[in-house]
Amino acid sequence: EVQLLESGGGLVQPGGSQRLSCAASGFTFSHYWMYWIRQAPGKGLVWVSSIDYDGSVTTYADSVKGRFTISRDNAKNTLYLQINSLRAEDTALYFCARVAGAGAINLWGQGTLVTVSS
Amino acid sequence: DIVMTQSPDSLAVSLGERATINCKSSQSVLNSSNNKNYLAWYQQKPGQSPKLLIYWASTRESGVPDRFSGSGSGTDFTLTISSLQAEDVAVYYCQQFFGTPITFGGGTKVDIK
Repeated sequence: EVQLLESGGGLVQPGGSQRLSCAASGFTFSHYWMYWIRQAPGKGLVWVSSIDYDGSVTTYADSVKGRFTISRDNAKNTLYLQINSLRAEDTALYFCARVAGAGAINLWGQGTLVTVSS
Repeated sequence: DIVMTQSPDSLAVSLGERATINCKSSQSVLNSSNNKNYLAWYQQKPGQSPKLLIYWASTRESGVPDRFSGSGSGTDFTLTISSLQAEDVAVYYCQQFFGTPITFGGGTKVDIK
């Protein structure tokens, strides 16, 4: 089955860190750019970060630049997001997403919830 | 960044009636080299992750019912549900993938009247 499965979310204190993982299966992971996209409770979708096929090109939203790091391990078919210096406004459901050829998203994970609170 | 503005924020439509959602981009998302609009539509049902419905503004993703259609070009786009079904209750988002970063509209909630 073609799917993405995120893990690693949870409750973390302000200033803390977390590593999110996204396990891909059912397709050739290394053939796709990948995104992390987040959705604050009751809010819309916001792009967080992108990574190319082999991890050589990464981009970040201004709001997370310098605090978040995206990476991938194609041998393990896994995408990662290291999130540091967490703030209350980082509280959200974090989705990993597979990018179709030009940039539409044709596969989404179920999301992992990160809650930043003391 | 390209700003995507959706309207209305919500709408309620009777079963079997037409639902129309609008999306406007702050700059054109038409690539003149291939004449494609870099615009997608997604459906997010309660408690679920989003699902791709339409890409290139009007190309239906495989498996998407033909009651869903997309139209428009440049900066103005429309998603139409020709005959609303109960399972179409969801929030719908437009997204541009012409510029970096990709950006989404704020969403339109569709309910049954």
